[in-house]
Amino acid sequence: DADVTQTPRNRITKTGKRIMLECSQTKGHDRMYWYRQDPGLGLRLIYYSFDVKDINKGEISDGYSVSRQAQAKFSLSLESAIPNQTALYFCATSDLPQGNEQFFGPGTRLTVL
Amino acid sequence: AQSVTQPDIHITVSEGASLELRCNYSYGATPYLFWYVQSPGQGLQLLLKYFSGDTLVQGIKGFEAEFKRSQSSFNLRKPSVHWSDAAEYFCAVRGGSNYKLTFGKGTLLTVNP
Repeated sequence: DADVTQTPRNRITKTGKRIMLECSQTKGHDRMYWYRQDPGLGLRLIYYSFDVKDINKGEISDGYSVSRQAQAKFSLSLESAIPNQTALYFCATSDLPQGNEQFFGPGTRLTVL
Repeated sequence: AQSVTQPDIHITVSEGASLELRCNYSYGATPYLFWYVQSPGQGLQLLLKYFSGDTLVQGIKGFEAEFKRSQSSFNLRKPSVHWSDAAEYFCAVRGGSNYKLTFGKGTLLTVNP
């Protein structure tokens, strides 16, 4: 079984719709992250959470919100989706003191029409 | 702020040839450095990491990387490339107390038979 799972794996939605991407992990890690990947831009950090009560904005948080429902669950929401949010979204986890190696989920491919 | 540059967007090599992927980083102190690989349709998998100690690090799948502080580089190498190595490769740096990773924009590797 995968340690970091993401649902859905693929999603097509329309402009203005609210959408939630979910991430669950069984690694027991405290730290969780959301990234988006765009061709030629690499991965950019959207939000990160060091524990259930600690949520922080990353470099591109505008238009996104997150919820850390439990240690194992970290959801990313697009309140009103727009076409330039079409991307591949990754969730990741890490733990200290292992040096912050991050473990990635399989990704969610989101298309906003 | 930390940053990572991967100068080569796309590299093509023949199967059995040697490979070197370049990575330059910017960070004021000793960085933590990572190489990840992303196969088509997959998430990111850690190849290797450098925290301290021996500057030549060995990773999975026959890859190695060398940390050169004087050149701010962490280049990835493999002596003989296999067709299954075709993928996109990302260098990342973690610096400071925030434990965030900053990724390069990636190098796409194509392997010719």
